[in-house]
Amino acid sequence: QKEVEQNSGPLSVPEGAIASLNCTYSDRGSQSFFWYRQYSGKSPELIMFIYSNGDKEDGRFTAQLNKASQYVSLLIRDSQPSDSATYLCAVNAGANNLFFGTGTRLTVIP
Amino acid sequence: DAGVIQSPRHEVTEMGQEVTLRCKPISGHDYLFWYRQTMMRGLELLIYFNNNVPIDDSGMPEDRFSAKMPNASFSTLKIQPSEPRDSAVYFCASSFKAGSVSTDTQYFGPGTRLTVL
Repeated sequence: QKEVEQNSGPLSVPEGAIASLNCTYSDRGSQSFFWYRQYSGKSPELIMFIYSNGDKEDGRFTAQLNKASQYVSLLIRDSQPSDSATYLCAVNAGANNLFFGTGTRLTVIP
Repeated sequence: DAGVIQSPRHEVTEMGQEVTLRCKPISGHDYLFWYRQTMMRGLELLIYFNNNVPIDDSGMPEDRFSAKMPNASFSTLKIQPSEPRDSAVYFCASSFKAGSVSTDTQYFGPGTRLTVL
């Protein structure tokens, strides 16, 4: 059984701080990892994907992958109230299929 | 690009009625996915298609649920008969597989919020 685990939160950070979102996965064969953001009442939208160990940066977002520890994280620098949403971690399960975590709800306090 | 299109956006029906949800994937995408999202269970994969062929329907909760993809630009998810526990948001997503690891990103439609009374 492939599993993706996330802390459901809520995670609250003050505006301007760094928000750290974490995800662990059970399938060692997983090759690609995704972070989606979902605003309340909206559909998930892709923020970033990562395939290689290490860090990948895109603007204020940094994805970190450690395959040995089966751990992937998302850092949001200079958090803004507009970043308040649920963040879903997804792991490729083969043949384009993704397994999603249940999401972490982030609140950025002005 | 219009993105993934779903209809209707909201559906309210009574228990026992048939419900049909519709999806038009992004043009050129080879894969189509149907998900259900609830507060309790999060995002669950129901079924997915590759080139219009169902690949994995193990997530379909029971025989009341069926899905079809008659062509590359259209898919339906049908619930017959519907029950109150089917109330959820149903998402359709599509992705393009071209042999490159960067193309397995899934793009989601706006979803259909289903309420079964």
